[in-house]
Amino acid sequence: QVTLKESGPVLVKPTETLTLTCSVSGFSLTNPRVGVTWIRQPPGKALEWLAYIFSNDEKSYNTSLNSRLTISKDTSTSQVVLTVTNIDPVDTGTYFCARIISDGDPFDIWGHGTMVTVSS
Amino acid sequence: SYVLTQPPSVSVAPGQTASITCGGNNIGGRSVHWYQQRPGQAPRMVISYDSDRASGIPERFSGSNSGNTATLTISRIEVADEADYYCQVWHGYSDQYVFGPGTKVTVL
Repeated sequence: QVTLKESGPVLVKPTETLTLTCSVSGFSLTNPRVGVTWIRQPPGKALEWLAYIFSNDEKSYNTSLNSRLTISKDTSTSQVVLTVTNIDPVDTGTYFCARIISDGDPFDIWGHGTMVTVSS
Repeated sequence: SYVLTQPPSVSVAPGQTASITCGGNNIGGRSVHWYQQRPGQAPRMVISYDSDRASGIPERFSGSNSGNTATLTISRIEVADEADYYCQVWHGYSDQYVFGPGTKVTVL
């Protein structure tokens, strides 16, 4: 069974760096062309794609947030990490990770999400 | 960047048909994926590549894509279908995924 689980801090102060972890099971991050992506959703608002990383280490970032995002993977622990620098209250929301089979493919399996609040 | 448009809301009586549109410049030339998000839940894929139903999705859900509009159709709609629905495309030129703003479907 394929599962993804997000984890990270519940509360972050403005200007700090947010680090989120997606732990996957049921598939390997070394499988050819498998990828993991991050999406976020401010309360009551729409989904926003953030970044993805594939097994060959190919990465892409939302151009509107490019300079603040870093995505990486650790195949030994089956985890994908997303960092968001210089966090701001507008970054408050639920952060989801999901699986992609290949670039351009849909996000077929999603995690439940983790809620992050940015406040001093 | 590529922009998708969706109506903010659609209301339909139980048993009737809901059509949710997703507009974009020549979207018919792209593959469109659709996601359902029930209140308090994570999104789940319902339709991929314009019209392929995801595993476990009833046949009442169907999709089409042509010209500047893609459409998700829910036939014989049920109360359980009340949710937000998002369309998504892959903008390969810039390696970006784009979501539409979402449509809230209410079953009256």
